[in-house]
Amino acid sequence: DGGITQSPKYLFRKEGQNVTLSCEQNLNHDAMYWYRQDPGQGLRLIYYSQIVNDFQKGDIAEGYSVSREKKESFPLTVTSAQKNPTAFYLCASSTVLSGSDEQFFGPGTRLTVL
Amino acid sequence: AQKITQTQPGMFVQEKEAVTLDCTYDTSDQSYGLFWYKQPSSGEMIFLIYQGSYDEQNATEGRYSLNFQKARKSANLVISASQLGDSAMYFCAMREGEEYGNKLVFGAGTILRVKS
Repeated sequence: DGGITQSPKYLFRKEGQNVTLSCEQNLNHDAMYWYRQDPGQGLRLIYYSQIVNDFQKGDIAEGYSVSREKKESFPLTVTSAQKNPTAFYLCASSTVLSGSDEQFFGPGTRLTVL
Repeated sequence: AQKITQTQPGMFVQEKEAVTLDCTYDTSDQSYGLFWYKQPSSGEMIFLIYQGSYDEQNATEGRYSLNFQKARKSANLVISASQLGDSAMYFCAMREGEEYGNKLVFGAGTILRVKS
């Protein structure tokens, strides 16, 4: 089955610790994205990558870092510089072409910083 | 300025009735795309329907249709014959221009509750 996996589903960390969220896709998509969702809010773009070894900041990149060493993988690190990291994090992928190609989403990781 | 505005924080609809979820957008691009996603309480995002700015016909996908009024910059989602399983959060999103690749901007969402 083709799709996007995110792990873990729930993550608890102490304040001041860096934490890395995993995102893997087997859809052969070139583009991958990380979004943050706060309760009752829409999705906000953190980082995106349209090709291996290249990525761009989204609207709320401060306190986050990413890498794209493989086409299938786009891990997100939430650093201690992120002031309010508790949120729901969603990873997505798509073709890089515009048009009607929608983004496919993973099941999400719920991060709680204690 | 908000690029995507969903003015209804929450909506109720009776089972088997139709419901319209509002979405207005703001862009100066001629080429853009509008998407609707459904997010159940489990959190996953489910793609529902797409409308391109050059599409002359309103998009339809099963019980979902998009009421696209380009001059008013609105792209309302119409769900016909509501079912209990339609209870979820619904997001409108926009992709701007060709040079932006497939980057999306999302609205704040509308929570829909279907009553039996």
